[in-house]
Amino acid sequence: AQSVTQLDSQVPVFEEAPVELRCNYSSSVSVYLFWYVQYPNQGLQLLLKYLSGSTLVESINGFEAEFNKSQTSFHLRKPSVHISDTAEYFCAVSDYGGATNKLIFGTGTLLAVQP
Amino acid sequence: ETGVTQTPRHLVMGMTNKKSLKCEQHLGHNAMYWYKQSAKKPLELMFVYNFKEQTENNSVPSRFSPECPNSSHLFLHLHTLQPEDSALYLCASSQESAGAYNEQFFGPGTRLTVL
Repeated sequence: AQSVTQLDSQVPVFEEAPVELRCNYSSSVSVYLFWYVQYPNQGLQLLLKYLSGSTLVESINGFEAEFNKSQTSFHLRKPSVHISDTAEYFCAVSDYGGATNKLIFGTGTLLAVQP
Repeated sequence: ETGVTQTPRHLVMGMTNKKSLKCEQHLGHNAMYWYKQSAKKPLELMFVYNFKEQTENNSVPSRFSPECPNSSHLFLHLHTLQPEDSALYLCASSQESAGAYNEQFFGPGTRLTVL
């Protein structure tokens, strides 16, 4: 069975500092990988996704994630965070070509950006 | 209205009450999902509907009863719930439920408290 591990439940960081949110997955088949962000009192929004091709994917607001198959990781990074990046971030994996679009989520990492 | 909407946003109910959660998507999608989000736990997929047909029931207790009258609307009927059912219930939709290319769009959720 597939699973996703986000080891850090909370990551405090100062504004303009770099950040990395870790995500590891386990899967016996090819996977698609996603990062979702949840701002307070809102639903989840897709931040970026890896489907195929370049292992480095970027979002429009400066986040990037790199798919590393050998390490089964999909860590999320941003070189300089803003207060507005404070949110919970969820890593997710889905089956390749599965009959149902099932997303398996990690437990989430709360990114707390401090001034 | 745009995207995925959920009503009510907050609900408090006793264990003997019967209530319903409503989800509506304005994206022209054909698949809809119910998730349960509890503190410190991964999002749990509850039900999946594709073209109004239920394709996934993730061993959800019968006190949760979904209904999908058309591709735009999804309900979750609740009766004789337990306090441990208190959580944020998220609705999502995607173009269809097969294949991982379909991005899921989430509503803001209903915060349910069972007394």
